[in-house]
Amino acid sequence: TQLLEQSPQFLSIQEGENLTVYCNSSSVFSSLQWYRQEPGEGPVLLVTVVTGGEVKKLKRLTFQFGDARKDSSLHITAAQPGDTGLYLCAGANWAGNMLTFGGGTRLMVKP
Amino acid sequence: DAGVIQSPRHEVTEMGQEVTLRCKPISGHNSLFWYRQTMMRGLELLIYFNNNVPIDDSGMPEDRFSAKMPNASFSTLKIQPSEPRDSAVYFCASSFWGDRINGYTFGSGTRLTVV
Repeated sequence: TQLLEQSPQFLSIQEGENLTVYCNSSSVFSSLQWYRQEPGEGPVLLVTVVTGGEVKKLKRLTFQFGDARKDSSLHITAAQPGDTGLYLCAGANWAGNMLTFGGGTRLMVKP
Repeated sequence: DAGVIQSPRHEVTEMGQEVTLRCKPISGHNSLFWYRQTMMRGLELLIYFNNNVPIDDSGMPEDRFSAKMPNASFSTLKIQPSEPRDSAVYFCASSFWGDRINGYTFGSGTRLTVV
């Protein structure tokens, strides 16, 4: 069974601070996806990283896939209240038909 | 496309009653997933379908839960009889089978409360 562990589970910071969320596994994934979920809604895909060592940027968000394709990180620069939400990482198996989701990081950014 | 559509958005029912949750996936997607989300357990995969055929239902908690996909544009998750511990948010998601890039598209969920 493939497992993904996210840390921290909860994070409360002030507007303007930087933060990093980690997603770790002992399994190798074909790709790693990050989702954000806002209250009352389903998770929404932010980005997919495919190649080991790959770095992708989405405005103030930087996503990195580990060289061994077992881990990933999400770094947010100058967090804003609009970044508040639940961040989920998900690893895809090699057949591409299944995602394994991490437990999530609940982020609150206070103005 | 209107995205994945779930109904109802909220359901409050009494213990012992039958509950049916509905999902319309994105047109053209051939995989459909039912998840349950709680604060304690996070997102749990209950069952998934490929081309309307159930592939893995090992996540279904017990025989009180059943799911069907009679055609490519409709799926139901039924709980009979419902119990208070079934209270959670239930999500439906769809995707293209084998697509490891574009991920899942989730519906807005059904918040189920069993009293």
